[in-house]
Amino acid sequence: DIQMTQSPSTLSASVGDRVTITCRASQRISSWLAWYQQRPGQAPKLLIYKASTLETGVPSRFSASGSGTEFTLTISSLHPDDFATYYCQQYSSYYTFGQGTKLEIK
Amino acid sequence: QVQLQESGPGLVKPSQTLSLTCAVSGGSISSGGHSWSWIRQSPGKGLEWIGYIYYTGSTYYNPSLESRVTISVDTSKNQFSLKLGSVTAADTAVYYCARAGTMPQPFDSWGQGTLVTVSS
Repeated sequence: DIQMTQSPSTLSASVGDRVTITCRASQRISSWLAWYQQRPGQAPKLLIYKASTLETGVPSRFSASGSGTEFTLTISSLHPDDFATYYCQQYSSYYTFGQGTKLEIK
Repeated sequence: QVQLQESGPGLVKPSQTLSLTCAVSGGSISSGGHSWSWIRQSPGKGLEWIGYIYYTGSTYYNPSLESRVTISVDTSKNQFSLKLGSVTAADTAVYYCARAGTMPQPFDSWGQGTLVTVSS
């Protein structure tokens, strides 16, 4: 089983802030990593795949990087609708998700 | 644009079988090139992939659930289904169906989710 660990679990920030979320895999997964955004009462939405590729329609303030076991998601300047929970997911060997990072308004 | 919609009972008794169906519209399961998954989300275990199926009927299950899970596909109805046996309260969750490309690919389309509660 590949375990995914995100940090922090909760992140408090303000509109306009730059924030970074980290995801670590328990073994190497190359670039087979995705990031999702989930708002309350909604399904997760794919933001990033293959570690750094933006899904069509996702704003350019979202960016991501990493390979192997260490990955990051960065939002360059927070908008009001970015306050949500973010999950990383490996798809190198079946699928496992991180535990989530709740981005809340400071 | 493909859309997925889950349906099924919202309440299941302990030890019984949970059964859900995912109806796909805006695209054909039979066209190939995609896998069709079930995923669940509970406060205790977060997001957990249950398994997926191809239109051919080939299935792949999470080893932690494999002994209790069956996923099937009905291409004539453009839908796929989940059966989870011997349920307990720990199986209470929001259940999602989702689509991915042929592995390795992430989930690019999701249903809205359906809450299933296991309780007597």
